Amino acid sequence: DAKTTQPPSMDCAEGRAANLPCNHSTISGNEYVYWYRQIHSQGPQYIIHGLKNNETNEMASLIITEDRKSSTLILPHATLRDTAVYYCIVRVADTAAGNKLTFGGGTRVLVKP
Amino acid sequence: ETGVTQSPTHLIKTRGQQVTLRCSSQSGHNTVSWYQQALGQGPQFIFQYYREEENGRGNFPPRFSGLQFPNYSSELNVNALELDDSALYLCASSLRAGVMTDTQYFGPGTRLTVL
Repeated sequence: DAKTTQPPSMDCAEGRAANLPCNHSTISGNEYVYWYRQIHSQGPQYIIHGLKNNETNEMASLIITEDRKSSTLILPHATLRDTAVYYCIVRVADTAAGNKLTFGGGTRVLVKP
Repeated sequence: ETGVTQSPTHLIKTRGQQVTLRCSSQSGHNTVSWYQQALGQGPQFIFQYYREEENGRGNFPPRFSGLQFPNYSSELNVNALELDDSALYLCASSLRAGVMTDTQYFGPGTRLTVL
């Protein structure tokens, strides 16, 4: 699976949009971009994933650049409960090639009042 | 719909002992993956079970073993516990249908402390 690079930490204001960048310059054509978050001492929570197109669900939006070498997770209206470590993971889209998630260091997001 | 559950929540063992952790997968899911998360680090993949067979393993010694049952629940067994085995153990379930990747949903974890 391709390696990802994320900033180690970032702050954002409550009520504002939080934009979390992720670089995955070595991504292959059959690899998905997944985002999870982990609130202190809890299990990781699935947020969203995408292959080529931008995706949106009730939690967030995922913007993938046209060359797929980077992506941005957008939390539209951050709340204090969004304070967590956010992980960007690139994963091959073929279970025969392995189905594990490889977590990096993630971005520690602190939402401030 | 019931999510992924794990038991126990916390566990304290001494070095050299054996431990069994349990995971019930989300309703409708047929695949279970186990991860170890040491303090301050991201989760590390231990292994995955699909249709009651191990299907992929991370860089963990053989004293880490597992089982998956016909109802798709799973156990993680660790023998000869070492101090470094102290960690949060996470179980994730998913539905594998065909060859395309599946989304894994995590349980709350079991916090194991080895003294």
